[in-house]
Amino acid sequence: DTGVSQDPRHKITKRGQNVTFRCDPISEHNRLYWYRQTLGQGPEFLTYFQNEAQLEKSRLLSDRFSAERPKGSFSTLEIQRTEQGDSAMYLCASSHGQGRVGLDSPLHFGNGTRLTVT
Amino acid sequence: AQTVTQSQPEMSVQEAETVTLSCTYDTSESDYYLFWYKQPPSRQMILVIRQEAYKQQNATENRFSVNFQKAAKSFSLKISDSQLGDAAMYFCAFTSGTYKYIFGTGTRLKVLA
Repeated sequence: DTGVSQDPRHKITKRGQNVTFRCDPISEHNRLYWYRQTLGQGPEFLTYFQNEAQLEKSRLLSDRFSAERPKGSFSTLEIQRTEQGDSAMYLCASSHGQGRVGLDSPLHFGNGTRLTVT
Repeated sequence: AQTVTQSQPEMSVQEAETVTLSCTYDTSESDYYLFWYKQPPSRQMILVIRQEAYKQQNATENRFSVNFQKAAKSFSLKISDSQLGDAAMYFCAFTSGTYKYIFGTGTRLKVLA
């Protein structure tokens, strides 16, 4: 068990460029979450996958954001036409469970991808 | 709307002393789950303690315990015998059992030697 892995750790991009982040959850975890964290704030929910199905998306996720989890394994989060307001830490978390969220295994977080849009 | 509020942006505690971090939440649900997560500087967020709302008994994990007051919608974290390694951001979190975990804004805990 190597934990949740996120790549890259840091990304600096110019406004208007597209960026893609990758998350590799713990292998047996069927639930995967993306969160965004800005300085001085707690993580804000972006989206949730159960296996390969994206079951919930936050209203924070504009049409410039898209996430996938093909085959229920790793996940990617793409931001198109980045804006300075997209600068944040993007956190991925995973857990294993079949019933109600909260009863399952604890959320395991990755180290995050820090995005800076200049 | 479900919300989580942490009113203490920063707390300090002397090593070996006890500190309590506050958290309040708002929900119309009767069954839900509450958590405290710890985020050390430049490190991964990890679970400290979990409480199921249907359980009256307060959860404890070694030096960490909670004071869960369901009627008051309060969920505080007590850290006993504070250690230097306890220094971190602490986030209170809530889920009603659907997909979303809602986090508070965090409390930065400083431990003084």
